[in-house]
Amino acid sequence: DGGITQSPKYLFRKEGQNVTLSCEQNLNHDAMYWYRQDPGQGLRLIYYSQIVNDFQKGDIAEGYSVSREKKESFPLTVTSAQKNPTAFYLCASSFLRGAGVDIQYFGAGTRLSVL
Amino acid sequence: GQQLNQSPQSMFIQEGEDVSMNCTSSSIFNTWLWYKQDPGEGPVLLIALYKAGELTSNGRLTAQFGITRKDSFLNISASIPSDVGIYFCAGPDSNDYKLSFGAGTTVTVRA
Repeated sequence: DGGITQSPKYLFRKEGQNVTLSCEQNLNHDAMYWYRQDPGQGLRLIYYSQIVNDFQKGDIAEGYSVSREKKESFPLTVTSAQKNPTAFYLCASSFLRGAGVDIQYFGAGTRLSVL
Repeated sequence: GQQLNQSPQSMFIQEGEDVSMNCTSSSIFNTWLWYKQDPGEGPVLLIALYKAGELTSNGRLTAQFGITRKDSFLNISASIPSDVGIYFCAGPDSNDYKLSFGAGTTVTVRA
């Protein structure tokens, strides 16, 4: 089945620990995105990538890092510098057709909590 | 990103009721998207609108692209319990491959 797979579904982080959230897509999409969702707020963009080995900061990149070594994969690391990491994290992907808006499709999310 | 104002923030509705929500932007859009997020899941695209004045349906859902190109509306007819969730509007950011999202309308259905 084609889709976007995020893992794990639930993740717990200890003080001072880095944790990595996985995102894999088999839709042959060009672009991938990471969003953070807090209660009562919309989706805020953390990082995005249009092509392999390239990525850009979104609106709230501080305390996060990403890599894009393969077209299918876009892991997000929540570093110890992120002081308020508890949130629901969503990965999305889309084609880049170069004309008009490209619809983004989302994974099922990872809920990160601090121990 | 672009500022999208979505209202109402939340609503409690009776099963069988029709409901409406809307979204406004500070700038003109060429596309409006409506997503629904079930509890604990990722958003799923419901309807995409590409032309001012366009009216598009998906089952009991109907969405309209406002003629000013700065607003959009989503209607749900004859609500059922599975309509529970958060409905987001989205539109293009300054770059088309990025989206800006409204804060969402949380819908709770009373059986």
